[in-house]
Amino acid sequence: EVQLVESGEGLVQPGGSLRLSCEASGFTFSTYAMHWVRQAPGKGLEYVAAISRDAKTIYYVDSVKDRFTISRDNSKNTLYLQMGSLRVEDMAVYYCARAVCPSNLCYIDYWGQGTLVTVSS
Amino acid sequence: EIVMTQSPATLSVSPGERATLSCRASQSVSGNLVWYQQKPGQAPRLLIYGASTRATDIPARFSGSGSGTEFTLTISSLQSEDFAVYYCQQYNTWPRTFGQGTKVEIK
Repeated sequence: EVQLVESGEGLVQPGGSLRLSCEASGFTFSTYAMHWVRQAPGKGLEYVAAISRDAKTIYYVDSVKDRFTISRDNSKNTLYLQMGSLRVEDMAVYYCARAVCPSNLCYIDYWGQGTLVTVSS
Repeated sequence: EIVMTQSPATLSVSPGERATLSCRASQSVSGNLVWYQQKPGQAPRLLIYGASTRATDIPARFSGSGSGTEFTLTISSLQSEDFAVYYCQQYNTWPRTFGQGTKVEIK
């Protein structure tokens, strides 16, 4: 069974930092691209970042570029999102997700349960 | 950025009835579109990929169609567990973009 378990939930002041982790199990982590998607309270879904299985290709949505860093440790089956210079508008539930990439175009097939990031003074 | 527009925002349907949800892309995404279902307090669940292929364990009452800029998700006979929010998302280009969602509620 595919399992994605996020951790790192917390309350942080504007300008602060937080690191999210996502531990994967039930599949061969190193063979899948991984993504982070967020959902602000009562709002829709927004892509945040994506990383290829070998970490050589990385994507960020413009609003988090130069503030967030996605990374992975295939030896630990873990995905990370280092978030810095946090803003009130970054407050959301952050989902870790597995992606499948037929024909090099990736879509999410499994999602974690999400972890809440609260940005407030 | 490709803008995905879903309609209607809310769809009121009686159990057993058919529901038709629409998704329009601001430019062609070919067949690179997925549909997700999200229930309150839960993560999204993949329903359809490649615009028309059902994901694993998705009931046959869910079907997807379309290509290019116009897509449809049809639920042939709504069951109680189908009342939820549905999102379309294109994976043809970066940034990946979602529609704003269609809430299917009980009439």
